[in-house]
Amino acid sequence: DAGVTQSPTHLIKTRGQQVTLRCSPKSGHDTVSWYQQALGQGPQFIFQYYEEEERQRGNFPDRFSGHQFPNYSSELNVNALLLGDSALYLCASSTQGGKLFFGSGTQLSVL
Amino acid sequence: AQSVTQLGSHVSVSEGALVLLRCNYSSSVPPYLFWYVQYPNQGLQLLLKYTTGATLVKGINGFEAEFKKSETSFHLTKPSAHMSDAAEYFCAVSGTGRRALTFGSGTRLQVQP
Repeated sequence: DAGVTQSPTHLIKTRGQQVTLRCSPKSGHDTVSWYQQALGQGPQFIFQYYEEEERQRGNFPDRFSGHQFPNYSSELNVNALLLGDSALYLCASSTQGGKLFFGSGTQLSVL
Repeated sequence: AQSVTQLGSHVSVSEGALVLLRCNYSSSVPPYLFWYVQYPNQGLQLLLKYTTGATLVKGINGFEAEFKKSETSFHLTKPSAHMSDAAEYFCAVSGTGRRALTFGSGTRLQVQP
């Protein structure tokens, strides 16, 4: 049984560009959450998707948007990239009230 | 609103010594509390969690934590450190439901031979 898978593992972009990160949840999970982990810091909650809708959102600007597909997979989109968006982006999946399982993340570098 | 403070960004212990990683929380609702471990270039792995009930929680790899409401603390301990315990440890808090986690800034545990 595959766990949470994220793609790509590494990504390099330049300021002003747009990026899309992808996440496939663990089998049987219907909820996907995204977190941003800057170097030397703890993860920060971006948003959570359930039933293809954004259910909760952290303190992130509208440049950060997402989507959940009928098969529960999810995308994180970031527009107009800033240097400060460089971070490890973690996807986590769960069932309602269940344990969170994290993927290994996508390392985004913005130059 | 919820927050977590982890005291000590770096902790170094000798192999076989007691591990104590400190976590204090703030929550406006009864908290759910978690400890996660992160190895280099990997995601987060749940060590243990407290929701309700018994205040001493046992987790994987010999770790345990005690919820102390009066002290708003949830410190992580392990009686005897192994070299393989060297990693980054994060304390986190959430409310109920399909909850978002609020993480602390992490404590890097170094285990000396």
